[in-house]
Amino acid sequence: AQKVTQAQTEISVVEKEDVTLDCVYETRDTTYYLFWYKQPPSGELVFLIRRNSFDEQNEISGRYSWNFQKSTSSFNFTITASQVVDSAVYFCALSEANTGNQFYFGTGTSLTVIP
Amino acid sequence: DGGITQSPKYLFRKEGQNVTLSCEQNLNHDAMYWYRQDPGQGLRLIYYSQIVNDFQKGDIAEGYSVSREKKESFPLTVTSAQKNPTAFYLCASSIVRQPNQPQHFGDGTRLSIL
Repeated sequence: AQKVTQAQTEISVVEKEDVTLDCVYETRDTTYYLFWYKQPPSGELVFLIRRNSFDEQNEISGRYSWNFQKSTSSFNFTITASQVVDSAVYFCALSEANTGNQFYFGTGTSLTVIP
Repeated sequence: DGGITQSPKYLFRKEGQNVTLSCEQNLNHDAMYWYRQDPGQGLRLIYYSQIVNDFQKGDIAEGYSVSREKKESFPLTVTSAQKNPTAFYLCASSIVRQPNQPQHFGDGTRLSIL
């Protein structure tokens, strides 16, 4: 079974629109960590954020915000006022404390921001 | 400037040939990883190393080999036993192999078959 599901394969928005990328995870561990990465066309995955399972506070960093809800096993990522430079593939990942420290990546969401 | 350097950026393999992908990091990280990325799929772990002279198989290690003779270097060899090697290969590192440590990535090597 997929531990991390990113149901949105591709999203297109017009510049300045807000967009939310969904991430649903599955785990039985009580201690786990969630990550978001950005993969621009250059190929490198850029680390954006980490949340641990004990901290459900939402986080905002500039135009980026993250909504972590344990009740729905979701860790969604919102970009406000999108820009062309936001065009990339975004990956959500899960790491569990009790299963060998392996990262489980979702299949990614390809975001295109149209000028 | 600290980071992870992968080379070459593009690589072509002939039938029956082994090829080696380079990964070097100057972040002083203990743990290093190799992932394979195929279109429409997430990243799949090939091998990882937690310390020099030690490495472990990931989910898809068949047809691949690695070495970790130096902390900074973790080369990946794609052997002729790997029948479908065409993919994008990403190297990563983290301070240690712990679940709370983010992995930092290089910019990848794209391998194709001639």
